[in-house]
Amino acid sequence: QKEVEQNSGPLSVPEGAIASLNCTYSDRGSQSFFWYRQYSGKSPELIMFIYSNGDKEDGRFTAQLNKASQYVSLLIRDSQPSDSATYLCAVKKDAGNMLTFGGGTRLMVKP
Amino acid sequence: DVKVTQSSRYLVKRTGEKVFLECVQDMDHENMFWYRQDPGLGLRLIYFSYDVKMKEKGDIPEGYSVSREKKERFSLILESASTNQTSMYLCASSRVAGNRSPLHFGNGTRLTVT
Repeated sequence: QKEVEQNSGPLSVPEGAIASLNCTYSDRGSQSFFWYRQYSGKSPELIMFIYSNGDKEDGRFTAQLNKASQYVSLLIRDSQPSDSATYLCAVKKDAGNMLTFGGGTRLMVKP
Repeated sequence: DVKVTQSSRYLVKRTGEKVFLECVQDMDHENMFWYRQDPGLGLRLIYFSYDVKMKEKGDIPEGYSVSREKKERFSLILESASTNQTSMYLCASSRVAGNRSPLHFGNGTRLTVT
């Protein structure tokens, strides 16, 4: 089992819909969770992070964390074609500084 | 804004050459990282450093070494490049701030070894 797992996709949603991206992790000691967006040929850029159970909202983005079930998700409301990218989930296990990345989910938003 | 700068965007080298990839960050971050990214394999950590002259192996250190002589600069060295080291190389930095500090990435270096 991979430490951080994501469905590779592609996930295809129509413009204006909600895109739901999921990530599961294996280590119960994981403490911080990050979502990065990566456009083709570009480097990852941080969207948001979450470390407490529940929801965290930032504009059109909502991160959801459920530590008991060991999953974290990212919701994108009112999806736009410009949201088409690969979304990487990353997990920090402890107070150290290493992030473990999932393989990423490719999102396609169709006009 | 944090800026992480990688010296080359594209690099083509021959098998057996010694290759240096340079990375500089301007935010006085303690931690610096080198990842490689390959289709289907995602981001894999090669080496990281949490202080000047300190280094730790990541998941795939074989065939690589690193140097951190100054806080702002972290170099990745391919001692003898091989074709299986053709990849996108990403440098990143972060602050030592418990478990909530995110990584900030450079623009990447696409290395081709022929």
